[in-house]
Amino acid sequence: QKEVEQDPGPLSVPEGAIVSLNCTYSNSAFQYFMWYRQYSRKGPELLMYTYSSGNKEDGRFTAQVDKSSKYISLFIRDSQPSDSATYLCAMMAGGGNKLTFGTGTQLKVEL
Amino acid sequence: GAVVSQHPSWVICKSGTSVKIECRSLDFQATTMFWYRQFPKQSLMLMATSNEGSKATYEQGVEKDKFLINHASLTLSTLTVTSAHPEDSSFYICSAPDGDRLNTEAFFGQGTRLTVV
Repeated sequence: QKEVEQDPGPLSVPEGAIVSLNCTYSNSAFQYFMWYRQYSRKGPELLMYTYSSGNKEDGRFTAQVDKSSKYISLFIRDSQPSDSATYLCAMMAGGGNKLTFGTGTQLKVEL
Repeated sequence: GAVVSQHPSWVICKSGTSVKIECRSLDFQATTMFWYRQFPKQSLMLMATSNEGSKATYEQGVEKDKFLINHASLTLSTLTVTSAHPEDSSFYICSAPDGDRLNTEAFFGQGTRLTVV
C-alpha cells in the first residue's frame, strides 16, 4: 500500500464549477500537508500548506485536513481554464524534512 | 518570490554517456536541496537529499555511484547521471527550502527532461 493515495483522474469540469481534489494517507506521523500545482513539463508550484487538522483558505482555494480519517482535500471555487493542471498532494512528518507525494490528479477546466 | 533555477530544461544523450544537471537557488541560500525523479503519470519520487559541504543522503534503491550529487556551495547542487541508459529517461526535479525554513515551503526548479537514446 502506498503511503499517499491520490486518484490520477483525469477530472474534467466546466468553467465556474467547484472542484474537489482529495488524498488519503496511511502514515499517522504526517503533520504537514501541502498542495502543489504542476503544469505540463514544469516543476511543481506550492499552492497551500496546512499544519495538522483544520481548514485554510486562500482566495479561490480551500484546503482541509481531517487527521482522524487520514484524508485531505483541496477545493477550487469558480474554476477557470487556467486552473487546468496536475494537482499533487504532499505530506511531511513532524520534525522531518522529506516530502511524500501523491501521484497527482490531472484537472481540465473546459470553457 | 524565491527562485530555483534548473539547467538544462531538456537534454538528449547517447546511452553510456554522462549528463550533469544543475540546480541553483537564485536569491537565497540553500543548505539543503532535494532531487526527485518523476515518470509519466507518476508521483515525484525523492532520490536524494543534497547537503552543502557534506555527502548526499540517498533513498533506498537509488544507486549513489550512478547518480552523483555535489553540493559545493550554498546556491548550487548538481546531479550527474553517469553511464546513462534508456531506463534513466525521466523528468528530474530539484527543490530547496529557503535557509532554515521547513521543507513545507520549498521552491522547485522547472525540471529537466532527460532522454537517453
